[in-house]
Amino acid sequence: DSGVTQTPKHLITATGQRVTLRCSPRSGDLSVYWYQQSLDQGLQFLIQYYNGEERAKGNILERFSAQQFPDLHSELNLSSLELGDSALYFCASSVGGQGLNEQFFGPGTRLTVL
Amino acid sequence: EDQVTQSPEALRLQEGESSSLNCSYTVSGLRGLFWYRQDPGKGPEFLFTLYSAGEEKEKERLKATLTKKESFLHITAPKPEDSATYLCAVQGGGGSYIPTFGRGTSLIVHP
Repeated sequence: DSGVTQTPKHLITATGQRVTLRCSPRSGDLSVYWYQQSLDQGLQFLIQYYNGEERAKGNILERFSAQQFPDLHSELNLSSLELGDSALYFCASSVGGQGLNEQFFGPGTRLTVL
Repeated sequence: EDQVTQSPEALRLQEGESSSLNCSYTVSGLRGLFWYRQDPGKGPEFLFTLYSAGEEKEKERLKATLTKKESFLHITAPKPEDSATYLCAVQGGGGSYIPTFGRGTSLIVHP
């Protein structure tokens, strides 16, 4: 158990819909990262928040957005869902905000878009 | 753009048969190279961070080494519980501090 929690574990929805994925970092960690993992793309970085502020952006689609709240939990919002958005979405957390520290990953949310 | 290539894509070993996984990378100013283990349907689990060429780290049957162009994860006398996908990631010295991950090596150890 990494100490990072993600909800829900599984999510099945239809194309065009909007979903919200939730992540609670390890106690004491200020940085939260979101990743997408699909069979054909591997693990792709989406976005990072550090202490409530956006720190870095990767290959995140405009239909996707995220935020980190004062209690440090984070939400990833996916809208206008397409079949290709089906993937595992991981949240990771670390103590610092510069990525050198090892990241601790949550168990993931499996999103299926039908 | 940082790049990470892992080989082989898949590896089957007999229990006790030692081998090595390769991670080749190109990065502008290496800040760190990371190894993770990922079990099916679970999140990656951190194994090692290496910072400079010549550095080595060990954990049980695993040993990670680093050169200027590649890293190796050596598995000595593996057991079936070592079966997993092993991911390599690098962090470069550019403005972004975000790691770039390889596609991983899927390891199966047969009893």
